[in-house]
Order: sequence, then structure tokens, then C-alpha cells
Amino acid sequence: KAGVTQTPRYLIKTRGQQVTLSCSPISGHRSVSWYQQTPGQGLQFLFEYFSETQRNKGNFPGRFSGRQFSNSRSEMNVSTLELGDSALYLCASSLFLYREGTDTQYFGPGTRLTVL
Amino acid sequence: GENVEQHPSTLSVQEGDSAVIKCTYSDSASNYFPWYKQELGKRPQLIIDIRSNVGEKKDQRIAVTLNKTAKHFSLHITETQPEDSAVYFCAASSYGGSQGNLIFGKGTKLSVKP
Repeated sequence: KAGVTQTPRYLIKTRGQQVTLSCSPISGHRSVSWYQQTPGQGLQFLFEYFSETQRNKGNFPGRFSGRQFSNSRSEMNVSTLELGDSALYLCASSLFLYREGTDTQYFGPGTRLTVL
Repeated sequence: GENVEQHPSTLSVQEGDSAVIKCTYSDSASNYFPWYKQELGKRPQLIIDIRSNVGEKKDQRIAVTLNKTAKHFSLHITETQPEDSAVYFCAASSYGGSQGNLIFGKGTKLSVKP
């Protein structure tokens, strides 16, 4: 099976602009989570989508939003970019086996966003 | 909400020695504890995970132990090799409930010296 893919891999934007990142999960996976990784804060959860519905959301401002399509592909959007939004944005997909009480998340390669 | 603390932040060992990384979590509802390895410039890769109904799990040179009472879990790497050098992250989540996201520790940078 192909792994999780993310596009674009690298992005440079200026303050005030907005950006859209895309994630294609592993075939058959219905859950997609997004994380922000920075040297100072580490890996922080942004939000999770399952069957086109946001199931959970982390502690990020409303400038960060996302959605999931019927084919499980997901996008996240950041509006009014700030310098502090520079980070590696990772998405992870999982099968979400509810009754198993556990679910392995597989990460994509990430999108490196630089805000100037 | 859940909070995961990870220690140490850096760890340097000689090739062949063992390495131990410890994590504590705050939410007693957490029931799934994966460990990820992230090499420089690469994505996090799952190396081992454990569920709350299991106390220990092994996979070749890697083992994870879980103490639910004390709310801590540890990663043990035996016979370390230079290729084990990476940043290791622990995480916790409570699948089956309303929380489906992973809460990560800050990471441990492991250096294995030849």
C-alpha cells in the first residue's frame, strides 16, 4: 500500500497570507489527524477528522481549520499567517478500529511551512 | 486534558549499551501508548506500542513497559547501535472515548556512540 502523502512538501509564505495543505491517507484509512511540529513546542495536535466530521480539536486559534472529503483526503487551512506558524505540519492516518481500543497512526512526510 | 512528560531530553550511550526513556501521563483514561522514532528530516515512524491491558511488550531489541497505577511507561532499547540514533517520542491517547488524538512527550534525542 502507498503511504500517507502530503503536498506540497515545502512552502514559503509571507505574513498575512493564507495557506492550504493537503493530505492523502493510506487507502482504506478513514481517520486523518494533523499535527504541528516545532523545535520549541514539539508535536502538537491540531485536529482529527473521521468520515468528513471533525472528531477532536487541539488548542489552536480559529485561524487553523480543516476539512475532510468523502474519499478521506484532508486539507488544513491557515489564514492570516504569523511568523510563529512556521513549522513542519504532519498529517497521520489511521484505520480507527473502535472496538480494538487502539489505533496505529501512520505519518506523512510533512509540509515544511516557512512564514517570512 | 492529557499531559505527557518525557525524560531525559537527551541521552548519550555507547554502542552495545542499553537505553531507557521514561514517560508519565496524567489522564487515567488513556489506554494506548505508542513510541515513535524520528530521524533527522524524516517523518515519525512507529516502533512499538502498548495497550493498557498489557504490562510489557517486546520486539527484538525494543521493549515497552507500562505501569497503569503509577501512570508511567518506558521504552527500553538493548544492544544499541549507531542507527538507533534519533529522536524518540512517547505518546498517549484514549481511543474508544471522545479523545482520539495523540498527546506527545517533548522527545528524547538519543545518540549512540560507536
